[in-house]
Amino acid sequence: GQQLNQSPQSMFIQEGEDVSMNCTSSSIFNTWLWYKQDPGEGPVLLIALYKAGELTSNGRLTAQFGITRKDSFLNISASIPSDVGIYFCAGHTGNQFYFGTGTSLTVIP
Amino acid sequence: NAGVTQTPKFQVLKTGQSMTLQCAQDMNHNSMYWYRQDPGMGLRLIYYSASEGTTDKGEVPNGYNVSRLNKREFSLRLESAAPSQTSVYFCASSEMTSSDTQYFGPGTRLTVL
Repeated sequence: GQQLNQSPQSMFIQEGEDVSMNCTSSSIFNTWLWYKQDPGEGPVLLIALYKAGELTSNGRLTAQFGITRKDSFLNISASIPSDVGIYFCAGHTGNQFYFGTGTSLTVIP
Repeated sequence: NAGVTQTPKFQVLKTGQSMTLQCAQDMNHNSMYWYRQDPGMGLRLIYYSASEGTTDKGEVPNGYNVSRLNKREFSLRLESAAPSQTSVYFCASSEMTSSDTQYFGPGTRLTVL
């Protein structure tokens, strides 16, 4: 299957700090997506990106679709305790979605 | 409007036992998916159904079967469970396979002893 490499694997930050995580692939995707998963729940879509170079925001979250179509990053500004969770990138091409391995975020109050 | 629902939430099986995981969506979506989630490996696609009456293999289909019972329901069956199938299973749906957004259920946590 297609491999999406997500980094970092985990992050421990102070409340109020900004966070950055990224995802790279050996393949080109038509759409990049970022999900958040809370403990014991399914992933919830945060942001979808449709064009190379696109920069999209959703509140304190900003994500970009890389120019090469093989990467994407997600930034969270001014983190708060409820940002805790696992963040997944996903690439969509054809009929299937491919997911990264996740970044576990811990926010220390 | 419940979105995507899954039953059961938890299940413990012995090696060799069989069981069926149920999934239903009330969003009138055409496409449905089954994933497994293992530590450090992200979500991997087991099977998907592009539309009612069709099913296709994903990345890790071995040991599983699926049934698209109707437009709302998509079940995943383990005929002879193995410890390697211990995982969290997620069902998801989307308007079409070409749609860029999926909606996930809450997951089924399965342990095979």
